[in-house]
Amino acid sequence: AQSVAQPEDQVNVAEGNPLTVKCTYSVSGNPYLFWYVQYPNRGLQFLLKYITGDNLVKGSYGFEAEFNKSQTSFHLKKPSALVSDSALYFCAVRDGENYGQNFVFGPGTRLSVLP
Amino acid sequence: EAQVTQNPRYLITVTGKKLTVTCSQNMNHEYMSWYRQDPGLGLRQIYYSMNVEVTDKGDVPEGYKVSRKEKRNFPLILESPSPNQTSLYFCASSDDLAGGITDTQYFGPGTRLTVL
Repeated sequence: AQSVAQPEDQVNVAEGNPLTVKCTYSVSGNPYLFWYVQYPNRGLQFLLKYITGDNLVKGSYGFEAEFNKSQTSFHLKKPSALVSDSALYFCAVRDGENYGQNFVFGPGTRLSVLP
Repeated sequence: EAQVTQNPRYLITVTGKKLTVTCSQNMNHEYMSWYRQDPGLGLRQIYYSMNVEVTDKGDVPEGYKVSRKEKRNFPLILESPSPNQTSLYFCASSDDLAGGITDTQYFGPGTRLTVL
């Protein structure tokens, strides 16, 4: 069975500084990896995903993530944080070799960008 | 506009009173899913459906039922709600389950349920 860990409940960063939100995963087959963001009182919005190909994935709002197979990680990054990036971020994984497998989400990391 | 809609958005009910939360998508997606979100636990999948009349249990199916009689609708049914089902519920849909280009889930706005 697949699983996702987000080791930090909370990440604080100053505006303009680079940010990293960590994610590690476990899956038996090929990992399909996703990042979603949730703003207050809103549903989840898709940011980016890794299915295959280049290990560095670029997504919405200037975010990017790097797939590292040896470390089973998929950390979310942004070179320069904005106050408006403050939100709850979820990493998710699906086993790409098992049709019908469910998605598994991590517990979420709350990002606070301080002005 | 492509979207996933849920109704109601907010619901307060009492233990044992059957309720249904509706979910509808207008994107002709095959895959639909229900999640509950609880503090510190993230999103946990309740049920999912790969197509009409095809449903399967997620990680936390106890106390819930679903049906998929039409492609666009995927209602969540609580036959006898209990206080531990107080949560924020999200419906989602996806247009390619079999590892295609997209495989992205689109989420509804959420339904906040309180069971007294």
